[in-house]
Amino acid sequence: ETGVTQTPRHLVMGMTNKKSLKCEQHLGHNAMYWYKQSAKKPLELMFVYSLEERVENNSVPSRFSPECPNSSHLFLHLHTLQPEDSALYLCASSQTGRPNTEAFFGQGTRLTVV
Amino acid sequence: AQKITQTQPGMFVQEKEAVTLDCTYDTSDPSYGLFWYKQPSSGEMIFLIYQGSYDQQNATEGRYSLNFQKARKSANLVISASQLGDSAMYFCAMREALTIYNQGGKLIFGQGTELSVKP
Repeated sequence: ETGVTQTPRHLVMGMTNKKSLKCEQHLGHNAMYWYKQSAKKPLELMFVYSLEERVENNSVPSRFSPECPNSSHLFLHLHTLQPEDSALYLCASSQTGRPNTEAFFGQGTRLTVV
Repeated sequence: AQKITQTQPGMFVQEKEAVTLDCTYDTSDPSYGLFWYKQPSSGEMIFLIYQGSYDQQNATEGRYSLNFQKARKSANLVISASQLGDSAMYFCAMREALTIYNQGGKLIFGQGTELSVKP
């Protein structure tokens, strides 16, 4: 059982569809993150949840809606996306309160918007 | 403002040789951590090595070592005895202590360096 699991691994959706990305961590961490990685660009932090509360939203368009029902699960709900939203979406978790702890990442969901 | 800078978009190294990947950072927080991750073509981010701002010695993990020069704000990754499996994207990242409680301890990443190991 891997530490951070993301599903699905690949997703193709139309601009009018609604879909959700799921992330689950089995590490007992109390913070979870969504990152977007577009081709040839650095990772962009989208959302941060700490102790199940959203603590940061980096001005992400409202067509992306995060949900963190508990410390082990994180969702990213998608609706009316644009082709430029095609990217690799990475989920990560870490333990806050300790600056030296690394973030553990899932394998990502490769999203294509057509 | 960009806080992590990786100036080498791509690097080539011969198998079994050492390679240095550059990373510079900017912060006013005296307490911070620096991380290196490897991302193979599969997409997963794999943690390699960590350096704390107060650590007196450079971090080492197997073939990976971190050349930490605090005054110059650089944290270069050195990979010794390169292997074909080292071909991947490498990202430098930073966590500032001040973000831990009010920003969830987020990691900020650099642009990455694509390393290609030649046989």
